Amino acid sequence: GENVEQHPSTLSVQEGDSAVIKCTYSDSASNYFPWYKQELGKGPQLIIDIRSNVGEKKDQRIAVTLNKTAKHFSLHITETQPEDSAVYFCAAISNYGQNFVFGPGTRLSVLP
Amino acid sequence: DTGVSQNPRHKITKRGQNVTFRCDPISEHNRLYWYRQTLGQGPEFLTYFQNEAQLEKSRLLSDRFSAERPKGSFSTLEIQRTEQGDSAMYLCASSLDKSGSRTDTQYFGPGTRLTVL
Repeated sequence: GENVEQHPSTLSVQEGDSAVIKCTYSDSASNYFPWYKQELGKGPQLIIDIRSNVGEKKDQRIAVTLNKTAKHFSLHITETQPEDSAVYFCAAISNYGQNFVFGPGTRLSVLP
Repeated sequence: DTGVSQNPRHKITKRGQNVTFRCDPISEHNRLYWYRQTLGQGPEFLTYFQNEAQLEKSRLLSDRFSAERPKGSFSTLEIQRTEQGDSAMYLCASSLDKSGSRTDTQYFGPGTRLTVL
């Protein structure tokens, strides 16, 4: 089955700096990769996703890149703000896969 | 608010008691998922429904757990004879299946935090 690893587990950045979170997956058939942000006491909220027919997707300060050959994808947040502080989860699934497999999460702290 | 809703938000129970959680998906979403999340971990899949049919169950879902989705709308997750190891956040998500694949975007509710004393 699919296995998703995520690094780093914690990340602290200064406000205004960039943050990068990386995930690797094991199933080469996986072709959908969402990123979720989870704030304390709340459910995960989708922030961006990418499908395997594209290599990069951007939405304002957030971007995701995908390298299918190496089986890894990354979340990039530019011009970080204190409200970006949260736990971020990546996930992977294939078209006819069993279910979403989530990474263990990255706790991002943006220091003012 | 047209997002996924879950009730109750918090539940404290004694070991051995039964508990039931409810999830109301986004209107017209035909798929509904249940996940369990323990502290410091990502959500783990428990089960999912396509309309009213329960199509898949994880090995995490012991026989003390049962889920239903009558009429393909809201869903309930019941845990019988709760154990302390059941303490976790129980998340519900819904999605709209358009193509029969499993890569439709899932939208999560706020979760129900269960504490078993």
